[in-house]
Amino acid sequence: QVQLQESGPGLVKPSETLSLTCNVAGGSVRSGSHYWSWIRQPPGKGLEWIGYIHHSGNTKNNPSLKSRVTISVDTSKNHFSLKLTSVTAADTAVYYCARADDSNESIDYWGQGTLVTVSS
Amino acid sequence: QSALTQPASVSGSPGQSITISCTGTSSDVGSYNLVSWYQQFPGKAPKLILSEVSTRPSGVSSRFSGSKSGNTASLTITGLQAEDEADYYCCSYASGNTRYVFGTGTKVTVL
Repeated sequence: QVQLQESGPGLVKPSETLSLTCNVAGGSVRSGSHYWSWIRQPPGKGLEWIGYIHHSGNTKNNPSLKSRVTISVDTSKNHFSLKLTSVTAADTAVYYCARADDSNESIDYWGQGTLVTVSS
Repeated sequence: QSALTQPASVSGSPGQSITISCTGTSSDVGSYNLVSWYQQFPGKAPKLILSEVSTRPSGVSSRFSGSKSGNTASLTITGLQAEDEADYYCCSYASGNTRYVFGTGTKVTVL
């Protein structure tokens, strides 16, 4: 059973960088058939796909976030990370890390989510 | 890439069937049979209930079924139960600059 767990600061100041890490247990980020993803959900709103990384280093991000997003993977620690720069209050959300299955493009495992608030 | 369009809310009585629509474009829903559906309870992470339009993962009730026609996918819940009261999101694989696009979400209420 794959388990994902987000970690990182729950409060970030405006204009600073949001940094989160997702630890993966019961599975490997080296898997060739999965994409390791970040998804967010502002309070009371819907889900928004942020981006993904494959262990090969291939990444893709939501164009709406422009160049503010960097997703990286550390195979030695079996975790992957998200950095979102120049944050504003609009980036306040529950951030989920998740695994996408490239055989059917579904998101089959999710972390529990972590609330990140952008405020001074 | 705009979010897929879902009704904000759908309701039904116990035992009834309800259907939630998910409308996209020819760049996502219309071009790929790669629509998935997720169930989310308050304060919890979403859970996958259908992949590839209509495939149920192991352990998901057969009361959940899916279909697609053109640019619109649908989730049907038959024999509605109180435990089905939750938010439901569709998601589609998409071409172009993105990979996944989510629906706007539908709140299901059991009367």
